[in-house]
Amino acid sequence: GAVVSQHPSRVICKSGTSVKIECRSLDFQATTMFWYRQFPKQSLMLMATSNEGSKATYEQGVEKDKFLINHASLTLSTLTVTSAHPEDSSFYICSARSSWARFETEAFFGQGTRLTVV
Amino acid sequence: AQSVTQLGSHVSVSEGALVLLRCNYSSSVPPYLFWYVQYPNQGLQLLLKYTTGATLVKGINGFEAEFKKSETSFHLTKPSAHMSDAAEYFCAVDRNAGGTSYGKLTFGQGTILTVHP
Repeated sequence: GAVVSQHPSRVICKSGTSVKIECRSLDFQATTMFWYRQFPKQSLMLMATSNEGSKATYEQGVEKDKFLINHASLTLSTLTVTSAHPEDSSFYICSARSSWARFETEAFFGQGTRLTVV
Repeated sequence: AQSVTQLGSHVSVSEGALVLLRCNYSSSVPPYLFWYVQYPNQGLQLLLKYTTGATLVKGINGFEAEFKKSETSFHLTKPSAHMSDAAEYFCAVDRNAGGTSYGKLTFGQGTILTVHP
């Protein structure tokens, strides 16, 4: 149990276009999902926290109009990178927190999405 | 606020040798601590975690870590390295440990483990 699926695993897009990344909890309800970004040879940095049915909370320095997060259901959160530029090229990873008592001390990570903007 | 420092961005060991990856944390509340492993272009796999209780935590693949409050450390060890252990390892602390908003992690800088024959 506690599987998080992220799609796509890799995407290449042209500068100026938008890209949507999906994060799904396959076998549990995720009340909260987190989005992280990892630049090459760097650690993971939290971008935002999304709660089902409410607006996402963004970390300082993350542009909310550029990184649109939607958490419309208990099993799906999406991150849309709008007007992508080469500097947005990165590895994006989501994690999801379960509402099950058995898992209440950890969140579960997706496989990540490698975004390349050309 | 919480922070994590991993000493050594690269660690190299021989196959069969002891693996020691260092992690020190700073936390204003009793910490929840995690070790994750990441293989190239993949997501994170949880190795082990400490929340409460026994300070020596055993995880998958023969790894273990000991929570030492007095030293604010959570070092990861494995008695005998295997070639398949070569990967990047991240130590993390939950920003809201002890509260109801767990899952928001602060990561260390990562340590790349190389295992040579």
